[in-house]
Amino acid sequence: EAAVTQSPRNKVTVTGGNVTLSCRQTNSHNYMYWYRQDTGHGLRLIHYSYGAGNLQIGDVPDGYKATRTTQEDFFLLLELASPSQTSLYFCASSVGTNTEVFFGKGTRLTVV
Amino acid sequence: LAKTTQPPSMEAYEGQEVNVSCSHTNIATSEYIYWYRQVPHQGPQFIIQGYKDYVVNEVASLFISADRKLSTLSLPWVSLRDAAVYYCIVTLRDYAQGLTFGLGTRVSVFP
Repeated sequence: EAAVTQSPRNKVTVTGGNVTLSCRQTNSHNYMYWYRQDTGHGLRLIHYSYGAGNLQIGDVPDGYKATRTTQEDFFLLLELASPSQTSLYFCASSVGTNTEVFFGKGTRLTVV
Repeated sequence: LAKTTQPPSMEAYEGQEVNVSCSHTNIATSEYIYWYRQVPHQGPQFIIQGYKDYVVNEVASLFISADRKLSTLSLPWVSLRDAAVYYCIVTLRDYAQGLTFGLGTRVSVFP
């Protein structure tokens, strides 16, 4: 079973704070994704990547940066966190386009 | 990408068969149908995928109408562990821009 590990699992930060969410997959998957999930909206794609050094913009990228440092590691950066970014964040990976996508357990971020 | 429509919720008792429908009236010939489910405090998990006719695996079966505008996910003998939100996703096989999740169908299972 493919494994996607997110850290931290919970994070509280203040408005204007700097937050980095981490994701690691050890399955040699090419694609990695960051989603946010909010009540009434389902999961929405923030950024994705199809390899180390690659970054693609998703559907809701405003206020987020991301970086894929290695095949395994994908980071989501909130440089000036706002309360509207309070959400449940999921990282995911897949070996190719629309092959089975494996999700992490999520990071709950609260911006106060 | 084709838009999907699912019932917002369903209820069942343990041991029953649950059939979750998904309408995708604008599905293109190059699009496939995927089903995921999400239990509380977890990320979504792949269940099954199909293009036409009937697909079955150890977890569920998927029936796709002849015109491919309707698909039905069938869960035989549901247990409490099957209580989850079920998502129907229609997308191109080579669409690189991630999966587009709707609100899904919340399936509640009662003992």
